[in-house]
Amino acid sequence: GQSLEQPSEVTAVEGAIVQINCTYQTSGFYGLSWYQQHDGGAPTFLSYNALDGLEETGRFSSFLSRSDSYGYLLLQELQMKDSASYFCAGGFKTIFGAGTRLFVKA
Amino acid sequence: DTGVSQDPRHKITKRGQNVTFRCDPISEHNRLYWYRQTLGQGPEFLTYFQNEAQLEKSRLLSDRFSAERPKGSFSTLEIQRTEQGDSAMYLCASSSETGTNEKLFFGSGTQLSVL
Repeated sequence: GQSLEQPSEVTAVEGAIVQINCTYQTSGFYGLSWYQQHDGGAPTFLSYNALDGLEETGRFSSFLSRSDSYGYLLLQELQMKDSASYFCAGGFKTIFGAGTRLFVKA
Repeated sequence: DTGVSQDPRHKITKRGQNVTFRCDPISEHNRLYWYRQTLGQGPEFLTYFQNEAQLEKSRLLSDRFSAERPKGSFSTLEIQRTEQGDSAMYLCASSSETGTNEKLFFGSGTQLSVL
């Protein structure tokens, strides 16, 4: 089967750094993606890792270790607008994790 | 890039009725996905198309659900004899096949409420 596990909730303060972890079991690995979804909105693509290592896109970075079936999303210089749900996704047909709800406090 | 559009945005129906949703993907995208999402959960894969061919359908999907993409452009998702458990947000996404880097573009979804 295919599954992606991530923490249900994370809280951090404005300006801080937060890491959201994702472990996966997928048959046929096609890379690990990250999506952001604000309440009432559609998921939007943040980043993608096909190979091991770190990918950086502005304040967001994503890391992948295929040998450990593990990845994470790193958010730096947190802003209030980063409060949202974050999903890791991967595998054939792009299966999504249950999501991590990030609360950013002032 | 006009984005993925879905219609209607909201649908309220009575149990037992049939409903149909439409998705218009980004024009040059050949892959189209349907997902279902309930509150507090991630999008759940339903089915996907490459051009007009339906290549995969979730085993969790009952026979009451059917999807089409007749000309490889827009797609419809029909739910027959709706049940209260069908209440959810139905999301459509499209992507262009670019090797293994599959970036999905989502529509705003159709919120279905079955009374």
